[in-house]
Amino acid sequence: GAVVSQHPSRVICKSGTSVKIECRSLDFQATTMFWYRQFPKQSLMLMATSNEGSKATYEQGVEKDKFLINHASLTLSTLTVTSAHPEDSSFYICSASISGGNHEQYFGPGTRLTVT
Amino acid sequence: AQSVTQPDIHITVSEGASLELRCNYSYGATPYLFWYVQSPGQGLQLLLKYFSGDTLVQGIKGFEAEFKRSQSSFNLRKPSVHWSDAAEYFCAVVRYSSASKIIFGSGTRLSIRP
Repeated sequence: GAVVSQHPSRVICKSGTSVKIECRSLDFQATTMFWYRQFPKQSLMLMATSNEGSKATYEQGVEKDKFLINHASLTLSTLTVTSAHPEDSSFYICSASISGGNHEQYFGPGTRLTVT
Repeated sequence: AQSVTQPDIHITVSEGASLELRCNYSYGATPYLFWYVQSPGQGLQLLLKYFSGDTLVQGIKGFEAEFKRSQSSFNLRKPSVHWSDAAEYFCAVVRYSSASKIIFGSGTRLSIRP
């Protein structure tokens, strides 16, 4: 149980275009979803926290107009990287948690974004 | 503010040898602590967690960790490593002040010597 999927697993896009990444909780309802960014050989950096039906909360230094997060249902959150640039190339990981679930987060497999 | 420190960036051990990965946390009360493992290009898998109770926690894949309040540590151990254990290991603590956010350590890369 507690499986989280991400789609796509890899995406290559051209500079200036937008790309959407989906995060789904497959067998549970996720009250909160988190989006992380990970640079090579580095730790995970939390970008934003989203709760179903409300606006995402962004961490300091993360541009909310560039990284649009939508959490439209209890099983789906999306991250849209708008007007992507090569410096946005990274590994993006989502996670989901259950209300009352002892703060445990279930992680997706990640999405490798390459902007050319 | 809560924080997590993993002092070892990279560790190499021989297959079959024992392993200990260090983790130190900074938090006033009893923390919620986790160890995650990440294989290259993959997401994170939870190895074990500590919330309260018995300070020696058993996890998956033969891993265990011991919570030591006096040392503010939560070191991960395995008595005999396998080549498949080569991966990146992250210690993490819940950041209570903000909606169950997790703070990750910088990670320790484990290599296995044949």
